[in-house]
Amino acid sequence: AQSVTQPDIHITVSEGASLELRCNYSYGATPYLFWYVQSPGQGLQLLLKYFSGDTLVQGIKGFEAEFKRSQSSFNLRKPSVHWSDAAEYFCAVGPTSGTYKYIFGTGTRLKVLA
Amino acid sequence: DSGVTQTPKHLITATGQRVTLRCSPRSGDLSVYWYQQSLDQGLQFLIQYYNGEERAKGNILERFSAQQFPDLHSELNLSSLELGDSALYFCASSVRGGARNTGELFFGEGSRLTVL
Repeated sequence: AQSVTQPDIHITVSEGASLELRCNYSYGATPYLFWYVQSPGQGLQLLLKYFSGDTLVQGIKGFEAEFKRSQSSFNLRKPSVHWSDAAEYFCAVGPTSGTYKYIFGTGTRLKVLA
Repeated sequence: DSGVTQTPKHLITATGQRVTLRCSPRSGDLSVYWYQQSLDQGLQFLIQYYNGEERAKGNILERFSAQQFPDLHSELNLSSLELGDSALYFCASSVRGGARNTGELFFGEGSRLTVL
């Protein structure tokens, strides 16, 4: 069965510093991968997605993610974090053959220090 | 604005009661997904409907049920409520709903349920 692991529950970075949020997935074939962001009291907003092709994906708000098949990873990065990036970030795997489910990781809560 | 509308935004009720949460998907989206988000369980998939038919079930309790109507809006019914049912309930929609759905999910802002 497919699964998603986000090993970091909380991450704190200073404003202007670089950011990398980790995501590992378990699936035999190439999965459809997503990163979502949830601000307090809000729904989840799509940051970026990977279906195929170029393994470096650009998203909104200056975020990017890199798909690495050999490491079963899809880490999210941003070169310079802004205070408004403080939120919870979720990695997800899309439906695969035989299933209709989107599976979400447990999330990483990002705190940004001024 | 994702285009997915959920009502009510907040709901406070007592144990043993029944509530109905409503979701209107984005225009043109055929598939609706329900998720429960609580502090200790994270984002849990409950159930999915595609064009009126149930497609997938997740960790949905027998006390909970859902349906999707011909106009594609969906309702999640929660009955015999317990304290532990307090959570944020999200609805999401996507264009398609089959396996290998290449579309992303669009989320509503959620319905926060508090059971006292």
